[in-house]
Amino acid sequence: QVQLQESGPGLVKPSETLSLTCTVSGGSLSSYYWNWIRQPAGKGLEWIGRIYISGSTNYNPSLKSRVTMSVDTSKNQFSLNLTSVTAADTAVYFCAKGRRGIDYWGQGTLVTVSS
Amino acid sequence: QSALTQPASVSGSPGQSITISCTGTSSDVGDYNYVSWYQQHPGKAPQLMISEVSHRPSGVSNRFSGSKSDNTASLTISGLQAEDEADYYCSSYTSINTLVFGGGTKLTVL
Repeated sequence: QVQLQESGPGLVKPSETLSLTCTVSGGSLSSYYWNWIRQPAGKGLEWIGRIYISGSTNYNPSLKSRVTMSVDTSKNQFSLNLTSVTAADTAVYFCAKGRRGIDYWGQGTLVTVSS
Repeated sequence: QSALTQPASVSGSPGQSITISCTGTSSDVGDYNYVSWYQQHPGKAPQLMISEVSHRPSGVSNRFSGSKSDNTASLTISGLQAEDEADYYCSSYTSINTLVFGGGTKLTVL
């Protein structure tokens, strides 16, 4: 069974770059799509984007100008970079597997944007 | 892309059935059979309950069922139990190869 675990700083300063990594265990990155999704406290889920093993990406149009995703097959990891963050980017960030729906989720990691 | 529309809250008594709607457009829900439903308990990650409109993953109770008509998908939970109290989200694949979520519905078991 695939397991996903997010890691990265829990606190990021405004205007800086939020960087998170997701480590996948119990399976290979190959042949699947890998996503980042976030959820501000008390609010709904927002899809950020997805990456395929080839490096092909699709992003939420509302975040596209600030988002970059990458994959490291040697470490079975994929990553998220979100630039120029503001307080509005404070949320629990989930990494997840799936293409047209999500079938596996990480436990989530809280990232707070504050000086 | 705009979020799919879900009712903010629904409620029901134990043993009853409830239905949660998820309304999109002809560019997402209406055009693809790729609607999923997720259950999220407080402080936990969402869990897949229904995929591809009506497919129930292994391990999910058969009290959960999904359907779709035009631009609206629905999740029905029959024989409500206390453990069903949670937030429920729908998602849909879209015509621009993205994923969009609904705003979420809080289910209260009375």
